[in-house]
Amino acid sequence: AQKITQTQPGMFVQEKEAVTLDCTYDTSDQSYGLFWYKQPSSGEMIFLIYQGSYDEQNATEGRYSLNFQKARKSANLVISASQLGDSAMYFCAMREFYTGGFKTIFGAGTRLFVKA
Amino acid sequence: NAGVTQTPKFRVLKTGQSMTLLCAQDMNHEYMYWYRQDPGMGLRLIHYSVGEGTTAKGEVPDGYNVSRLKKQNFLLGLESAAPSQTSVYFCASSTSLVAASTDTQYFGPGTRLTVL
Repeated sequence: AQKITQTQPGMFVQEKEAVTLDCTYDTSDQSYGLFWYKQPSSGEMIFLIYQGSYDEQNATEGRYSLNFQKARKSANLVISASQLGDSAMYFCAMREFYTGGFKTIFGAGTRLFVKA
Repeated sequence: NAGVTQTPKFRVLKTGQSMTLLCAQDMNHEYMYWYRQDPGMGLRLIHYSVGEGTTAKGEVPDGYNVSRLKKQNFLLGLESAAPSQTSVYFCASSTSLVAASTDTQYFGPGTRLTVL
């Protein structure tokens, strides 16, 4: 079973509008971390935002916010006021901990296209 | 700070050939990782290292070997390349598991490998 599900292979948004990228996760752990990364066409992976499972407030970083709904196991990324430079692939990831280690699992990604 | 660098950026191999991918980081990070990225599958962890001289298997370790002789370098080796290893390979580093719930991974620019 997939641990991280990103149901939107591609999304279009008009410049200056807000867009929500969906992410649902599956874990039985109480302690875990959720991340969003951006991968532009140049290929590098850029960290955007983090949400801890015990954090009560939704994380925000500039134009990025994470809509964390723990009971529904969703961690959607909201980008406000989209810019052309936001066109990229976006990955949701979850870090799980287990005795002796941890692992980070990535979703398949959502490609965002921002239209002028 | 160069951050995380990877050498080479591109490589084409014939089946059965061997090669080594080099990852270097100048952030004094303890933890380093090798991922592969395939279309529609996100990133999958190949091997990782929690410190100089240590390595551990990730999700898809078969066909790869790694070494961490120096803290700043993490090498990924393919002893006998196969077409199934055609992928984009990303190296990443992070500080420590102590603050793993909030720690982010810093990624290199990636190496595009094609095995014919």
